[in-house]
Order: sequence, then C-alpha cells, then structure tokens
Amino acid sequence: QVQLQESGPGLVKPSETLSLTCTVSGASVHSGTYYWNWIRQAPGRRLEWIGYIYYTGSTKYNPSLRSRITISVMSRNQFSLQLNSVTAADTAVYYCARAVCRAYCGGPVPTLDPFDLWGQGTMVTVSS
Amino acid sequence: EIVMTQSPATLSVSPGERATLSCRASQSVSSNLAWYQQKPGQAPRLLIYGASTRATGCPARFSGSGSATEFTLTISSLQSEDFAVYYCQQYDKWPLTFGPGTKVDIK
Repeated sequence: QVQLQESGPGLVKPSETLSLTCTVSGASVHSGTYYWNWIRQAPGRRLEWIGYIYYTGSTKYNPSLRSRITISVMSRNQFSLQLNSVTAADTAVYYCARAVCRAYCGGPVPTLDPFDLWGQGTMVTVSS
Repeated sequence: EIVMTQSPATLSVSPGERATLSCRASQSVSSNLAWYQQKPGQAPRLLIYGASTRATGCPARFSGSGSATEFTLTISSLQSEDFAVYYCQQYDKWPLTFGPGTKVDIK
C-alpha cells in the first residue's frame, strides 16, 4: 500500500524559509511512472498547485510562486519543498501528492493524470 | 492560467436526494477534468477523472459529464458519507488549477 506523509515545522517566522519533506512508502520516487507534487490550501481558499518534481530532477513550478520555490528529490525515498521569504499569506495546509505520467514523461510538458494519492497534509503557520 | 469556477457555493440536500454540482473552465480543457471530495481534516480524494471516469473505489452513485468548458458532477442518491466539499480541477494546461469548491450539506 502506497502512502505519502508530510513532515516539517508547523510554525515559521515571516521572511524565513519553509521546509517540508514528503516521505513515500510502498513506491519509489525514483520510478519513471510518477510525478511528485506539492499542493497547498490556505484557510478558506481553494487548493493551489505549487509544483512537481520527476525522478530525473526535472521540475515545474506554479508561476505565482516560482521565484520562491525549490522542490528536490532526496535519497531516502523522499522529496522536499522549500519556500523562501514566507509571509502570512503562505499559511496553509501543505499536501504532497502523486500523479501518474501518461505521456511525454521526463519532457518539458508532460501529460499527467490527476492526483490519485495524497498525504494527510501538514498545517504550516507563518507568524512571529 | 485557466480559472475554474463552481456553482453553487453551497448545496443543501436531504439524504436520498440527487445533487448536481457544476464546474466551468475559463477556456477549453477538453476532457481533462477531475473531481475530488474533501471531508473536514482530510486530504482530497479523487472521485472522477477524464470528466466522466470513476476512480478506483468511487461509488457508482457518482457520475461526471461534460467537456470543453462545462462540467457536471451528479450524486444520484446522497448518503450520509457524501456530505463534504467537492472540488473540480483541470489538468489540461499548466499551471494545474482547482475550482473554489461546492459544499454539500444536510438540508
């Protein structure tokens, strides 16, 4: 059974860096079948796709956040999110999620299926 | 980016009744439209993809239809476990975007 689990600090100070890790069990982040994503949901707001990483290290980010994001694959079947210069607007529940690649896997514009597996989410509050 | 809208924002339905939820895209997304169900304190759960294909484990009372810019999620006979928020999401163009959600609550 494949599971995703987010971890990281629940409180981050304004202007600092938010760092989260998603641990994948039951599947490999180094599989070419999947793209690994971060999605967030601010209180009372819609879900917002943050970005993805492929096992090759290829990434795509939401243009609204691109200048502040880094998503990386880590060696222990984990992938991470770093969001720099956070403000109160970054307060949200952060989810990691999996998407199956249908076509053009590894290319600049892959065709992905929707998110079929999600972590439980972790609440991050930005406050001094 | 493609903007997704959903209506109504809240739908009050009695158990056993039919619920019809709408989703609209600001430009065509073909059939690359998914529906998710989210209950309080839980992650979203994929229900429908390809506008009309039920995901693994999705009950048959859920059905999706539509294409291009207009989509519908129908719950044929609401069960107690169906009261939740439903989001649509387009995966046709980057960045991937979600609708604001429709809350289905008990009438």
